[in-house]
Amino acid sequence: QKEVEQDPGPLSVPEGAIVSLNCTYSNSAFQYFMWYRQYSRKGPELLMYTYSSGNKEDGRFTAQVDKSSKYISLFIRDSQPSDSATYLCAMSNTGNQFYFGTGTSLTVIP
Amino acid sequence: DAGITQSPRHKVTETGTPVTLRCHQTENHRYMYWYRQDPGHGLRLIHYSYGVKDTDKGEVSDGYSVSRSKTEDFLLTLESATSSQTSVYFCAIGLAGGPGQYFGPGTRLTVL
Repeated sequence: QKEVEQDPGPLSVPEGAIVSLNCTYSNSAFQYFMWYRQYSRKGPELLMYTYSSGNKEDGRFTAQVDKSSKYISLFIRDSQPSDSATYLCAMSNTGNQFYFGTGTSLTVIP
Repeated sequence: DAGITQSPRHKVTETGTPVTLRCHQTENHRYMYWYRQDPGHGLRLIHYSYGVKDTDKGEVSDGYSVSRSKTEDFLLTLESATSSQTSVYFCAIGLAGGPGQYFGPGTRLTVL
């Protein structure tokens, strides 16, 4: 069993839609949770991170962590064509070694 | 990609040859990482370093070695490249003030 599971999609939505991206994990010791965005042929860039459970909001992006269910989500409001990318979740228990999901490919159609 | 560079950006080599990839940072970060990214597997940690001459293995370290003789440089070596090591390799540094990482632009390696 992989440490982190993520639906690869692809996910296609119209512009302005709310997008929900999710990951599940098996290691209950994980306490750092991150979301990255990766454009084609580029390195991943950090969008948000949260520590332990709860929500965090940054502009159109909201990250949620439910440690009891071992489930994390990223919501994108008012999605834009520029949000079209692959979204990767990542987790860590120490803050030094990270485990990544396989990524979800998102296309926002104008 | 300011602050972290990788070289070469593209390389084609033959099975059995040694290959060294270089990661260079200008941010003076203590932690540096090497990942490989493959379809269906996502990003997998190969090795990481927590200081000069201090390194540790990740989940897919077989066939790879690393060295860090200076804070700014982290080298990944494939002693004898195999076709299964064809991949995109990313270097990353630990971000100050948080657990996230800053990634380099990647190196596309093809082993024929």
